Amino acid sequence: GQNIDQPTEMTATEGAIVQINCTYQTSGFNGLFWYQQHAGEAPTFLSYNVLDGLEEKGRFSSFLSRSKGYSYLLLKELQMKDSASYLCAVIDSNYQLIWGAGTKLIIKP
Amino acid sequence: TAGITQAPTSQILAAGRSMTLRCTQDMRHNAMYWYRQDLGLGLRLIHYSNTAGTTGKGEVPDGYSVSRANTDDFPLTLASAVPSQTSVYFCASSDSNGGSGQFFGPGTRLTVL
Repeated sequence: GQNIDQPTEMTATEGAIVQINCTYQTSGFNGLFWYQQHAGEAPTFLSYNVLDGLEEKGRFSSFLSRSKGYSYLLLKELQMKDSASYLCAVIDSNYQLIWGAGTKLIIKP
Repeated sequence: TAGITQAPTSQILAAGRSMTLRCTQDMRHNAMYWYRQDLGLGLRLIHYSNTAGTTGKGEVPDGYSVSRANTDDFPLTLASAVPSQTSVYFCASSDSNGGSGQFFGPGTRLTVL
């Protein structure tokens, strides 16, 4: 079966750095997405990785290791508005998007 | 720029009644999707359409039907609603490449009593 694992919940302090991990076992791999979802709102696109390595976009970076079936989302200089759920999703061999259950990130002052 | 819209925003529905959730996008995306999102389960794909005139079943298609008469619209119909269909429903679209990710509508919160 196909599976994506993320921690259910994480807590971090404003101004700090947090890393949200995602591991996946899917039938094939054609890319990995990270989305942000604030409570009561729709998910919004954050990043896309298809090759190994680190993609940096402002305060957010995403890393991929295809051989390990592993990705992480790194958030720097945390702000209160970063409190949200972060969803990891993988495109499988049929070009279907397989979603993780999401990691709820709580930012404390 | 509208992007992708859904209607209604929320609805309370009696069990056994039928209902159609509407979804419209103006980005000329070929692919469209319907998801339901339940606490602790993440997004689950109900149906999808890779292009106008074609549809496919996702992970949880039972009790739902879709149509794709044109590029812009992708309605989701519940023929006879049951309480287990209480959920938040998201419509999404993407270009054929898919590498730009899926763009989501604001969602419809449906309660079936």
